[in-house]
Amino acid sequence: QSVLTQPPSVSGAPGQRVTISCTGGSSNIGAGYDVHWYQQLPGSAPKLLIYDYSGRPSGVPDRFSGSRSGTSASLAITWLQAEDEADYYCQSYDSSLREVFGGGTKLTVL
Amino acid sequence: QLQLQESGPGLVKPSETLSLTCTVSGGSISRSDYYWGWIRQPPGRGLEWIGSIYYSGTTYYNPSLKSRVTISVDTSKNQFSLKLTSVTAADTAVYYCARHLRTGGRYLFDYWGQGTLVTVSA
Repeated sequence: QSVLTQPPSVSGAPGQRVTISCTGGSSNIGAGYDVHWYQQLPGSAPKLLIYDYSGRPSGVPDRFSGSRSGTSASLAITWLQAEDEADYYCQSYDSSLREVFGGGTKLTVL
Repeated sequence: QLQLQESGPGLVKPSETLSLTCTVSGGSISRSDYYWGWIRQPPGRGLEWIGSIYYSGTTYYNPSLKSRVTISVDTSKNQFSLKLTSVTAADTAVYYCARHLRTGGRYLFDYWGQGTLVTVSA
């Protein structure tokens, strides 16, 4: 059971918009710690996708965006493309557990 | 461009010690504001942070693994290493090393190695 909760899977057709949620608690997101998102393409290492809820590292398309609401964070992907099919992980800091990851969400592009 | 590369045995026997090294190239491991961390991923499962080290030797460990983990750094070789003792099949995973930013309330992993699979089996 992960400290940060993500849906196991989401799906969408090319061109559509999907969102992935990441729900935490008072010792992590609710305590004000930032949330970051990673994309893991099949057979590859994770890659930093979004930092500090909504920042994008150089080279990440603006189709990817992040937001926060209370003790949750969300990743949105617009104009879905086949190459977006991957696993997505949220990550934050927990005052008792240190660095923590969500359980991961598998995105399927239909 | 910063690059990280894990190395070490791909097979470890139960009850023995898993040892891995991460070699950093394209940048100094002694750069301030950055720690260097280990993360693992069991087959078909999610990511788990193991621990991190600063170039000075300061370490932070996942409480669930702390009793079995030692992370060390060799600044002269631009390397840091992981030792995990008393391994079991549950420690079978892909092990990643990563650059770990821990400053200003920000805790994230911005560069990752490609990962190395370590299997625990007799």
